[in-house]
Amino acid sequence: LAKTTQPISMDSYEGQEVNITCSHNNIATNDYITWYQQFPSQGPRFIIQGYKTKVTNEVASLFIPADRKSSTLSLPRVSLSDTAVYYCLVGALSNFGNEKLTFGTGTRLTIIP
Amino acid sequence: NAGVTQTPKFQVLKTGQSMTLQCAQDMNHEYMSWYRQDPGMGLRLIHYSVGAGITDQGEVPNGYNVSRSTTEDFPLRLLSAAPSQTSVYFCASSRGSEAFFGQGTRLTVV
Repeated sequence: LAKTTQPISMDSYEGQEVNITCSHNNIATNDYITWYQQFPSQGPRFIIQGYKTKVTNEVASLFIPADRKSSTLSLPRVSLSDTAVYYCLVGALSNFGNEKLTFGTGTRLTIIP
Repeated sequence: NAGVTQTPKFQVLKTGQSMTLQCAQDMNHEYMSWYRQDPGMGLRLIHYSVGAGITDQGEVPNGYNVSRSTTEDFPLRLLSAAPSQTSVYFCASSRGSEAFFGQGTRLTVV
């Protein structure tokens, strides 16, 4: 699986847009990019997944440039409840889904009132 | 909707004791997996299963056994607990793009 690099931590104020960038220089042709969110004492929760260009859902947007060597998770107008660790994962999908998920240390996002 | 249910939530073991962490899912997912998370670290894959009767090792399988007799259940066994196995354990199931995680079991080995 392609190794990912993310900032260890980020701070932001409530109401701002937060962008977390992930580098994955060795991403393979059949790899997808997936982001998970983890609150303290809870299991990770799927946020968004994409392959190229832009993906948007009710929670976030994911921007992937043409070379796919990086991706940016964008959280619009964050609130205190968005304080969590965010993980960027890269891997191929199969018939069973995104198995063998490889989690790095993630980005600890702290939202300041 | 229960999703992925793990029991127990907390457990303290003495070194050398054995125990089984339970994991059950009600989403009829073929794929299930176990991870451990140490303080300040990401999750590391212990074992996984792509269906009933099929299991395989992940990144850190030593000291753990698994079996998958049904689609719903995927128990994790610690045969002889060691302090190095003190961690939070997460079970997950998935089909397609999204993995669903349980709430975790916090295990302390003394």
